[in-house]
Amino acid sequence: AQTVTQSQPEMSVQEAETVTLSCTYDTSESNYYLFWYKQPPSRQMILVIRQEAYKQQNATENRFSVNFQKAAKSFSLKISDSQLGDTAMYFCAFMEYNDMRFGAGTRLTVKP
Amino acid sequence: DGGITQSPKYLFRKEGQNVTLSCEQNLNHDAMYWYRQDPGQGLRLIYYSQIVNDFQKGDIAEGYSVSREKKESFPLTVTSAQKNPTAFYLCASRQDRGSYSPLHFGNGTRLTVT
Repeated sequence: AQTVTQSQPEMSVQEAETVTLSCTYDTSESNYYLFWYKQPPSRQMILVIRQEAYKQQNATENRFSVNFQKAAKSFSLKISDSQLGDTAMYFCAFMEYNDMRFGAGTRLTVKP
Repeated sequence: DGGITQSPKYLFRKEGQNVTLSCEQNLNHDAMYWYRQDPGQGLRLIYYSQIVNDFQKGDIAEGYSVSREKKESFPLTVTSAQKNPTAFYLCASRQDRGSYSPLHFGNGTRLTVT
């Protein structure tokens, strides 16, 4: 089975600054999909951004963008102009066919 | 409003008892999933189902069972064979029209077994 690794268990950032969360994955497939989900203290899982592996252009959603490096099997999330509401667990996820797997998560704290 | 409903939000059981967690969706999604979340381990896949009357084991299926008799419903039974059942359980669904469609999650059920 494919694996997803998030090497940063915890991170913190000052409000209004930029932070990057790392994610690497392992697969032998060429066609797959990548996602970042956010889980605030309410524990509701919220989709942040998604990327198709065959698209070279990095996805962007408002203050959230990714750096997708297919050869390196890397999929990092950049949060610009961090806000207090961004405080949450962030999970990187990998999907091929109908099987979606998650990393262990990064706990992000935005400090005022 | 369309969505995924998990019930109950909190569930308490005695050790040795089977317990069933409910998951219902009205999104007309084809695929449904069950994940377990423990502190520091992210989400681990228990079972998933792509169509009615069919389902596949995930990484940690031992001690769990599921059924998919209706498209809208995907209940999870935690059996007495599950050695450490206390956890947070998340149900999800997705439209199976190509893998780009993301998972939509319910609000979860916190199961405590004593």
